[in-house]
Amino acid sequence: AQTVTQSQPEMSVQEAETVTLSCTYDTSENNYYLFWYKQPPSRQMILVIRQEAYKQQNATENRFSVNFQKAAKSFSLKISDSQLGDTAMYFCAFMKHGYGGSQGNLIFGKGTKLSVKP
Amino acid sequence: EPEVTQTPSHQVTQMGQEVILRCVPISNHLYFYWYRQILGQKVEFLVSFYNNEISEKSEIFDDQFSVERPDGSNFTLKIRSTKLEDSAMYFCASMLAEVGGELFFGEGSRLTVL
Repeated sequence: AQTVTQSQPEMSVQEAETVTLSCTYDTSENNYYLFWYKQPPSRQMILVIRQEAYKQQNATENRFSVNFQKAAKSFSLKISDSQLGDTAMYFCAFMKHGYGGSQGNLIFGKGTKLSVKP
Repeated sequence: EPEVTQTPSHQVTQMGQEVILRCVPISNHLYFYWYRQILGQKVEFLVSFYNNEISEKSEIFDDQFSVERPDGSNFTLKIRSTKLEDSAMYFCASMLAEVGGELFFGEGSRLTVL
């Protein structure tokens, strides 16, 4: 069975600074996907960034980037130039590769509550 | 921008009562999901639904739970006889049709069982 661990329940960062959120996972699968989802207060979860395990290149989306270490089973999220709107709960999630109805089963970590301070 | 919408946002019910949580997925999506989060715990997968049938379900999704897509737009989760431990936030999600694709989540329905 797959597990996802986020070891930082809460973090804070000053506006414009950089912060890194940690995530480790455990799986025996070789082909899978990793995600970071963001959930602002009282809003729905939205996708921040996605990584395909077979791609060695780290995914980036504007100010968000990941450090994907497949051998170490580590998937950290770096937020550069933090903005007040980045304040949210961040969830790391794992999805094994599948087709048709056998996909979409996300395994989540417990989340990291990030506060961006002015 | 299209969104997944869920109703009600909060429901309080007595133990043993039936509850139906409703979701309207994004209209052209093909895969539908229910997740739940008990307070202080992880978000957990309950069930996936594709092509008008359950594709996969977790061990949480026992005989007390059922899902339905009655009219091609709504996607419902029914809990037949609620227990105290069913108190949680329930999230609906949908996905277009892409291997390893993005799930779009609703804001959640908070269920409180007394």
